[in-house]
Amino acid sequence: DQQVKQNSPSLSVQEGRISILNCDYTNSMFDYFLWYKKYPAEGPTFLISISSIKDKNEDGRFTVFLNKSAKHLSLHIVPSQPGDSAVYFCAAIVDRGSTLGRLYFGRGTQLTVWP
Amino acid sequence: KAGVTQTPRYLIKTRGQQVTLSCSPISGHRSVSWYQQTPGQGLQFLFEYFSETQRNKGNFPGRFSGRQFSNSRSEMNVSTLELGDSALYLCASSLAGRAYDTQYFGPGTRLTVL
Repeated sequence: DQQVKQNSPSLSVQEGRISILNCDYTNSMFDYFLWYKKYPAEGPTFLISISSIKDKNEDGRFTVFLNKSAKHLSLHIVPSQPGDSAVYFCAAIVDRGSTLGRLYFGRGTQLTVWP
Repeated sequence: KAGVTQTPRYLIKTRGQQVTLSCSPISGHRSVSWYQQTPGQGLQFLFEYFSETQRNKGNFPGRFSGRQFSNSRSEMNVSTLELGDSALYLCASSLAGRAYDTQYFGPGTRLTVL
């Protein structure tokens, strides 16, 4: 049962433009949402997160937007750079009870930024 | 500060064998989680340990087990290997596994079962 879904397996964007990666979730109990970036042969690297009580969080070129009513979040990268080319995973966590420490992941979106 | 380390990085085993993978968390981190990554299923949660206790477990058969030592280092074991166990096994560490404790991942162990 995939509680976090990334419906676009790939996205191709020109350098300098905006990249928008989308993520949907089904579990209304999620307290925190995270984005990880993964290069081949490496583990995922934390990028940015957002609490469920907020609707936007910004860190440099990266902004995450959360729409709780739609159970949807998105990651905006502006401007996109070739070094951003990687697989991006959306993840979520319930911050209580028996599921502490467990991240629920989407299946990832391969972002390719071309010059 | 050293990152999460996993050993070995690559492993080739045959069906029916067993395997033990090791994870050393970032110093001071007490929570260690394990994930299996396969092309078809993405990142699937195996289990999480905090202060030597398994706090929660994903939907994997009993052939998958783990433990955590007093220094927070963790091992996972897979017995009676099957072809479908071929995957990248990732461990992640965090201070206490809370939502606001960033989980940092190791590079993974690539297991191939022949």
